[in-house]
Parts: sequence; structure tokens; C-alpha cells
Amino acid sequence: EAGVTQFPSHSVIEKGQTVTLRCDPISGHDNLYWYRRVMGKEIKFLLHFVKESKQDESGMPNNRFLAERTGGTYSTLKVQPAELEDSGVYFCASSREFGQAFYGYTFGSGTRLTVV
Amino acid sequence: AQSVTQPDIHITVSEGASLELRCNYSYGATPYLFWYVQSPGQGLQLLLKYFSGDTLVQGIKGFEAEFKRSQSSFNLRKPSVHWSDAAEYFCAVGGSTLGRLYFGRGTQLTVWP
Repeated sequence: EAGVTQFPSHSVIEKGQTVTLRCDPISGHDNLYWYRRVMGKEIKFLLHFVKESKQDESGMPNNRFLAERTGGTYSTLKVQPAELEDSGVYFCASSREFGQAFYGYTFGSGTRLTVV
Repeated sequence: AQSVTQPDIHITVSEGASLELRCNYSYGATPYLFWYVQSPGQGLQLLLKYFSGDTLVQGIKGFEAEFKRSQSSFNLRKPSVHWSDAAEYFCAVGGSTLGRLYFGRGTQLTVWP
């Protein structure tokens, strides 16, 4: 099966601009997660979708971040307006529905966001 | 509170030497434990996972990890390191409800030829 796909792989934007990151999960995976790693820190959870619903968005840092998953397929994460501290690597992961044998999470390659 | 501690930020070993990366966790329910590896320019790749049963789990690339409930640890081991193992390693803990994972800060492994 195809893996989790994220694009762009890199993005450099100026402070105050808007950036939209996209994640395509593995087909059939109802669970989709966003994580972020700021340089030198741990990978931190942002939010969790089950199909198109936000199951847990407790990790979203502030209201400049907006995540959507229309139709329960791909997801986008928009940062508007971007600040310097938003720089980091944004990872997306997906997993199957619980109860169908838990295979764990599959991560994408990440989007490296640099805000200058 | 849920957390993962990887006490070693950076480890250097010689090729062919044995390796042990430490991981301690704090989790309020039955933990699901994972080790991921990230090579330069790559995403997070799952090395192995522990859900239940045998506390010694085998993973890909010759890695293994042992779950010790009494010590809240899930250390990663490899008997003989290869130069291609140089990467950053992350320990993570989650629960059975497929919710969020909690990651450690990562351990950067350097392998000397």
C-alpha cells in the first residue's frame, strides 16, 4: 500500500504570510494525526481526526492554526499568519480503525517549514 | 502526566559495537510503546512496537526492545551496529484508544567507522 504523503516537503515563507500543508493518509485509514517538531525539542501532538471529525485538538498551539479534513480523506493544516516560532517539521500520521487489529501509526516524511 | 524521557541526547559508537538506547515513560494506563527512527531527509520509520505479551520484541534492521513494567522502561538494543544505523531515534508511548502519541526528545546516534 502507498504510504502517508505530505507536501510540500519544504516551505520557506515570510512572517505574516499564510502556508497550507497537506497530508494524504493511507487509503482506508480513518485516523489522521498532525504532529510538530520544533528544532531540538520533542515531537508534539497537534490534533487527531477520526474521519472528518476532530477527535482531539488539544495540542493546537493557537487560533492561527486551522486543520481540516473534508470528506475524511486528505487533511490540510493552515497557518495564518505565520510567526517565527512556527518553524519546524510538521508530521502527519495515519492509522486504521481501532478493532481491526492495531497496526500502529504510519508517518509521512514531514514538511519542513521555515518562517523568516 | 504522560511523558517519555530519553536521557541520552547524543550517542557515539563504533561500527560493530553493541548499542542500547534508553527510554523511560510515564503513562496512566496500559502503555503501547514504540521506537521510531528518522534518517536524514527521511520520515519517521517504525522500528518496533509493544502492545502486550512477550516483553522482548523484535523489530526491523536487527533491533530489539525490552519492556520492563517495574522500571517503566522500553530500551532499544542492537548487538552490532552498522554505519547505516546512524540516525535519530525516538521512543513514544500511547494508549489502546488510538489517540495521541507522546514522544521523547530523541537520541542522535553517530557511528564511527
